[in-house]
Amino acid sequence: AQSVTQPDIHITVSEGASLELRCNYSYGATPYLFWYVQSPGQGLQLLLKYFSGDTLVQGIKGFEAEFKRSQSSFNLRKPSVHWSDAAEYFCAVRAGNNRKLIWGLGTSLAVNP
Amino acid sequence: GAGVSQTPSNKVTEKGKYVELRCDPISGHTALYWYRQSLGQGPEFLIYFQGTGAADDSGLPNDRFFAVRPEGSVSTLKIQRTERGDSAVYLCASSSGYGANVLTFGAGSRLTVL
Repeated sequence: AQSVTQPDIHITVSEGASLELRCNYSYGATPYLFWYVQSPGQGLQLLLKYFSGDTLVQGIKGFEAEFKRSQSSFNLRKPSVHWSDAAEYFCAVRAGNNRKLIWGLGTSLAVNP
Repeated sequence: GAGVSQTPSNKVTEKGKYVELRCDPISGHTALYWYRQSLGQGPEFLIYFQGTGAADDSGLPNDRFFAVRPEGSVSTLKIQRTERGDSAVYLCASSSGYGANVLTFGAGSRLTVL
């Protein structure tokens, strides 16, 4: 069965510092991979996605993620964090034609001024 | 509409009562999804519609939960005989149903069962 692991429940970084949020998945083939962000009172917003091709994908708000098949990972990165990036971040996977998304538990990001 | 609209945004009810949650998807989106998110958890799939029909309802936890989409647009999630464990944020998402099938989510309906 598919699963998604986000090992870090909570991360605190200083504004301007770099950020990496980890995501590992379990699936036999290459899944479709997503990162969403959820701010308080807001809906889940898509940051970026990977379906095929270039394993480094660029998203909105200056985020990027790299798909590493050998590590079954899809880590999210940002070179310089802004205070407005404080939110909950979710990694999700979809297996082929299956329409369901399987989600990680999320990583809560706090940004210190 | 411009986005996915969910009503009510907050609903407080008593154990045993009946609840309806409404989702108005993006105009023209044929696919509609319901997810449930409990505190500290990621979203959990409930049901997916393609047009008017439920293409996959394998995530509905039991027969107290039911969803409809009679005209292929607005959907209603119905919960009978609510229990305290049903308390969660119910998320609706829609997509074009084709190609990348990227989901656009509404802000959710927070259900509290006392």
